[in-house]
Amino acid sequence: EAGVTQFPSHSVIEKGQTVTLRCDPISGHDNLYWYRRVMGKEIKFLLHFVKESKQDESGMPNNRFLAERTGGTYSTLKVQPAELEDSGVYFCASSQARGNIQYFGAGTRLSVL
Amino acid sequence: AQTVTQSQPEMSVQEAETVTLSCTYDTSESDYYLFWYKQPPSRQMILVIRQEAYKQQNATENRFSVNFQKAAKSFSLKISDSQLGDAAMYFCAYRNELNFGNEKLTFGTGTRLTIIP
Repeated sequence: EAGVTQFPSHSVIEKGQTVTLRCDPISGHDNLYWYRRVMGKEIKFLLHFVKESKQDESGMPNNRFLAERTGGTYSTLKVQPAELEDSGVYFCASSQARGNIQYFGAGTRLSVL
Repeated sequence: AQTVTQSQPEMSVQEAETVTLSCTYDTSESDYYLFWYKQPPSRQMILVIRQEAYKQQNATENRFSVNFQKAAKSFSLKISDSQLGDAAMYFCAYRNELNFGNEKLTFGTGTRLTIIP
């Protein structure tokens, strides 16, 4: 069974540009989560989808970040326009049901220059 | 708000030896879950071990075990017979007992473990 996959593995963009990160959860997992680790700090929660609905988006830093999960399958996280402080590793996780173990992807390393 | 602290940014251990990674947390809740995740370089982050706060018995998974001290809010990870494949970034994480809409994990800053051959 394929695990959580994230694309791209690494993205380098200039300040002001737009970047879209993609996450494919484990098949059948209704719950999808986005997290971010900035500059060697702790991994912080961004938001949680249940199917296509946003269950909790309390961790989204500002309105430059837009997450979608159309159809309840894969999810995208768009940053527009990107700022220097957005650099970091963005993790996606999925779980089959509420309260179950969250399975993580390898992350997307975003570098904003 | 809950916080998780990992005070050891880096640790190293000789192959086949035992190493303990520290984690402390702060919460006002009585029911919660604690986790250790590991991320090898450029690979998926995987769950190593999980502990339910209501269980007094320390969780064990093969060579991995925890020392859960609820009163002290401490949750250390012991790796016995360290192997080269244990080299990774280790993250300690906390999650509240399941409340509607509250599923997020709260992580520490991580400990990078190096295994010396």
